[in-house]
Amino acid sequence: QKEVEQNSGPLSVPEGAIASLNCTYSDRGSQSFFWYRQYSGKSPELIMFIYSNGDKEDGRFTAQLNKASQYVSLLIRDSQPSDSATYLCAVSGGSNYKLTFGKGTLLTVNP
Amino acid sequence: NAGVMQNPRHLVRRRGQEARLRCSPMKGHSHVYWYRQLPEEGLKFMVYLQKENIIDESGMPKERFSAEFPKEGPSILRIQQVVRGDSAAYFCASSRNRQQETQYFGPGTRLLVL
Repeated sequence: QKEVEQNSGPLSVPEGAIASLNCTYSDRGSQSFFWYRQYSGKSPELIMFIYSNGDKEDGRFTAQLNKASQYVSLLIRDSQPSDSATYLCAVSGGSNYKLTFGKGTLLTVNP
Repeated sequence: NAGVMQNPRHLVRRRGQEARLRCSPMKGHSHVYWYRQLPEEGLKFMVYLQKENIIDESGMPKERFSAEFPKEGPSILRIQQVVRGDSAAYFCASSRNRQQETQYFGPGTRLLVL
C-alpha cells in the first residue's frame, strides 16, 4: 500500500515568515512529486513539481526532494495571508500515472 | 485557454437515484483521471481513461460506479443507486500524456446524497 504522509497541521506562521511543509512517501519507486494548493471548497491547484533530487525554485516557492530519505518539502518564502490553504503532496511512480495524495497540511498565515 | 471543465458543480440526489458527473479535459489533453475526496480525507484515485478506453479502474468501487470517455463528448462518471456514503467532492483531472505529466484539476462536482 503506497502511502504519503503529511502533518495535518494547522501550521501557523506570521506574515513575511518562511513556511515549511513536509511530506514523506513509502514507495521507493516513486519518480514524480507534486505540490498542490487547495483552498477550502475549491479544487487542487498545481504549485510545483519536481523529479530530481535537490531544490527547485519558482518565485517564492522552493521544492526540495531527497529520494534516499523518501522526503519532499515545500518552502514558501515571504508568506502572505493569501497563502493560507491546505497544501497537498502528491506522488506518482514511473509509468504509474496514479497520483497518491497525502491528506494535506493546513497552513495559516497571520497578518 | 479553457481549463478542465466539470458539471454540474453541485448535485443533490436522494438515496437510490443515479448521479452523472461530466468532465471535459483541457484543450489538447486526451488523458482523464477521476478522483474522489471524502470529507476529512485525502484525494483518492478512482479511474484513468483515454478516448474510448478505460486504462485503469482499480480505484473504482466494484459496484454501482462506472466511467466512460467516448470518442465525442465529455467523460462521464456514473453512480447508480447512490447512498449517503457517496457524498463527496469528485474531481476530474487531465493531462497531455501520462509519462511524468502533470495533471490539472477541474473545479469538481460536490455530490450530496440525502
